[in-house]
Amino acid sequence: DAGITQSPRHKVTETGTPVTLRCHQTENHRYMYWYRQDPGHGLRLIHYSYGVKDTDKGEVSDGYSVSRSKTEDFLLTLESATSSQTSVYFCAISDRQGAGELFFGEGSRLTVL
Amino acid sequence: LAKTTQPISMDSYEGQEVNITCSHNNIATNDYITWYQQFPSQGPRFIIQGYKTKVTNEVASLFIPADRKSSTLSLPRVSLSDTAVYYCLVGSQGGSGNTGKLIFGQGTTLQVKP
Repeated sequence: DAGITQSPRHKVTETGTPVTLRCHQTENHRYMYWYRQDPGHGLRLIHYSYGVKDTDKGEVSDGYSVSRSKTEDFLLTLESATSSQTSVYFCAISDRQGAGELFFGEGSRLTVL
Repeated sequence: LAKTTQPISMDSYEGQEVNITCSHNNIATNDYITWYQQFPSQGPRFIIQGYKTKVTNEVASLFIPADRKSSTLSLPRVSLSDTAVYYCLVGSQGGSGNTGKLIFGQGTTLQVKP
């Protein structure tokens, strides 16, 4: 399996608090992605990165920010969590865009009360 | 970005062949087609990828017609353990200017019955 680790795996927080999810890879892959998955919505792209300090918005980026200061880490931050951000968050990595295989982490389940 | 459309759900029985079709009418010249499988509480995992014609591996076949506006994932002799959600994804290999946005469709929930 690809070396990709998400932390924390589970988190419960309250509305209005900041939350940061971390994705760590040991594959030296260029591309990293954050998706959220909710019942009935499949996988929706939040943000992605195509290199260190190079990021762009996905389909549902409002309320989220990301940072990638080094190849191996891609952080997803919810500045002020809301109940609508309760979801399962998946990180994915790839060494080639599109034609490359996406490797997914195990997911981080976030509950915002 | 090529948008994909798949059936929301499909039912099958053990031992049958299952074909799941994905439509991607605005696929670009550089786009590849990739299929993923997802079990509950897990991240999706790669099944197969192709560009044109037919690709086969140990678990599935992928059929892509000449116009590439659709693709069909074929699972031979499914078992109960093939019950999962299947996604097709279209994305280009890209060059230095391609930033790599990959958008998933809704996926197809396959239910295999005994």
